[in-house]
Amino acid sequence: GQQLNQSPQSMFIQEGEDVSMNCTSSSIFNTWLWYKQDPGEGPVLLIALYKAGELTSNGRLTAQFGITRKDSFLNISASIPSDVGIYFCAGRSGNTPLVFGKGTRLSVIA
Amino acid sequence: NAGVTQTPKFRVLKTGQSMTLLCAQDMNHEYMYWYRQDPGMGLRLIHYSVGEGTTAKGEVPDGYNVSRLKKQNFLLGLESAAPSQTSVYFCASCVSGVNTDTQYFGPGTRLTVL
Repeated sequence: GQQLNQSPQSMFIQEGEDVSMNCTSSSIFNTWLWYKQDPGEGPVLLIALYKAGELTSNGRLTAQFGITRKDSFLNISASIPSDVGIYFCAGRSGNTPLVFGKGTRLSVIA
Repeated sequence: NAGVTQTPKFRVLKTGQSMTLLCAQDMNHEYMYWYRQDPGMGLRLIHYSVGEGTTAKGEVPDGYNVSRLKKQNFLLGLESAAPSQTSVYFCASCVSGVNTDTQYFGPGTRLTVL
């Protein structure tokens, strides 16, 4: 089946620093999504990408749909304490259900 | 709108007991999903439904059954719980159609099987 490799698994950063994380897949996807999960809650959608090369921003967050359609990147600029949580990438090809990465756990040190 | 709600929030079972987790959504979504989340494993799809009366297997369906008798509800059943089913269970829903993969998640059910 389809697999997503998400990296890094965890990050510890200073408040104000920029953050980058990425996902790669073993097959071509036509949709990439990025979710954030706060402790004790369900994931919430941050950004959705539907076209190769697409670059989309949501406040301090920017995500890109890789040209090869096998990867996606999420950047967070000027991190703040409330950015703490687990970030998941998710993707799909054709009519198959979404596949989720294993998550990147972000910790922000004030 | 309440969005996606899950009942119960917490549950402790003994091995061999059965239970049903309820997911309800008030957004008139066609698609509904059940995931389990384990440390370091991300979200894994158990079963899903593309409409009332339909169900399909996901990545990890063994030991679980589901039913979608009403469009707004999606039930996940454990007939004989095992310790390996200790997990946090999330329900999600989304509309159908092109470029509508946005899934809305419930708050989760934390299940412990002793």
